[in-house]
Amino acid sequence: DSGVTQTPKHLITATGQRVTLRCSPRSGDLSVYWYQQSLDQGLQFLIHYYNGEERAKGNILERFSAQQFPDLHSELNLSSLELGDSALYFCASGRDHTGGYTFGSGTRLTVV
Amino acid sequence: GENVEQHPSTLSVQEGDSAVIKCTYSDSASNYFPWYKQELGKGPQLIIDIRSNVGEKKDQRIAVTLNKTAKHFSLHITETQPEDSAVYFCAAWGNNRLAFGKGNQVVVIP
Repeated sequence: DSGVTQTPKHLITATGQRVTLRCSPRSGDLSVYWYQQSLDQGLQFLIHYYNGEERAKGNILERFSAQQFPDLHSELNLSSLELGDSALYFCASGRDHTGGYTFGSGTRLTVV
Repeated sequence: GENVEQHPSTLSVQEGDSAVIKCTYSDSASNYFPWYKQELGKGPQLIIDIRSNVGEKKDQRIAVTLNKTAKHFSLHITETQPEDSAVYFCAAWGNNRLAFGKGNQVVVIP
């Protein structure tokens, strides 16, 4: 157990729907990072939050949004889902914002 | 932004032999280079890392070397064992995020 908790582990939903993925960082970690992993693209950076504030944004689609709450957990919202959004979504946490992540076990999203 | 490339994409080695995976990065400002191991159905796990003020770091059977001038770094696994079979990712830190390579599938043949 890495200490980073992601829920749910699996999610199957239909095109056009909206889902929320949740991440609880390791105790004491202030940074949360979201990544998308698909077979062809490897680990693609989506967004980074540090202590509630957005620090960096990758190639995150406008249909996707995220936030980090005062208790430091984070949620990734995916809307108007398309078949191509099917992937593994990983959350990682870190003590600060200088690298050194610990990953969760991921949420496997399948859009049908 | 940072671009990280890994070679080779697949590597097969006999048990007991050494494995070497090489990565190159593009941003000379990057200062932290971790390696992650990902087993099937699991999240990536940090196995070793190196900062830009160090040229080499070792931890038992694994080591990482960094050449800042050439902008490349390598993972070395000695005395490979079947449990070393996994996908290995290199990454470089810059602009408040880690940029990852596409991963190397390492297969250790018993």
